[in-house]
Amino acid sequence: AQTVTQSQPEMSVQEAETVTLSCTYDTSENNYYLFWYKQPPSRQMILVIRQEAYKQQNATENRFSVNFQKAAKSFSLKISDSQLGDTAMYFCAFIPHTGANSKLTFGKGITLSVRP
Amino acid sequence: EPEVTQTPSHQVTQMGQEVILRCVPISNHLYFYWYRQILGQKVEFLVSFYNNEISEKSEIFDDQFSVERPDGSNFTLKIRSTKLEDSAMYFCASRVTENYGYTFGSGTRLTVV
Repeated sequence: AQTVTQSQPEMSVQEAETVTLSCTYDTSENNYYLFWYKQPPSRQMILVIRQEAYKQQNATENRFSVNFQKAAKSFSLKISDSQLGDTAMYFCAFIPHTGANSKLTFGKGITLSVRP
Repeated sequence: EPEVTQTPSHQVTQMGQEVILRCVPISNHLYFYWYRQILGQKVEFLVSFYNNEISEKSEIFDDQFSVERPDGSNFTLKIRSTKLEDSAMYFCASRVTENYGYTFGSGTRLTVV
């Protein structure tokens, strides 16, 4: 069974600064995908970034980047130049690459507040 | 950009009543899912659906729950006799193949009173 751990319940950052959200996971799988989802107050789940475990290069999407450490089973999200609209709950999620029935396993989430 | 559409956005129902939550996945997607999130808690898997049948279901998905894809476009979740503890946000999701991430709908907030 897979587990995803987000140990920080909440964080706060000043607008325009950089913040890093931590995530660790546990799995016996070798091939899998990792995701960060953003959930704003509207509670919609929005995909922020995706990382394939077999790729060594860290994924980047504009101001969002990850630090993927496969051996350490760590997958942190870095948000650069934080904006007020980044205020949301952020979930780390894992899915094994073992077939169509694979389900996402989520962490408990972290509440990020961006201060003006 | 294609979206997964869920209706209604918010439903209030009395305990013991049946509810049907509706989802229209992205048209070329083949795999469909329901997840739920009780307020303040993590998102939990309910059920996956592929090729017109359930692929996997969680312990939460008991006999009170059912899913179907009646007309090739809609994907519904039915709760036969709602309980107070069914109050949650329910998310539908779909994906085109197993190599892609999910696209989530905007959710249905179910409140059981």
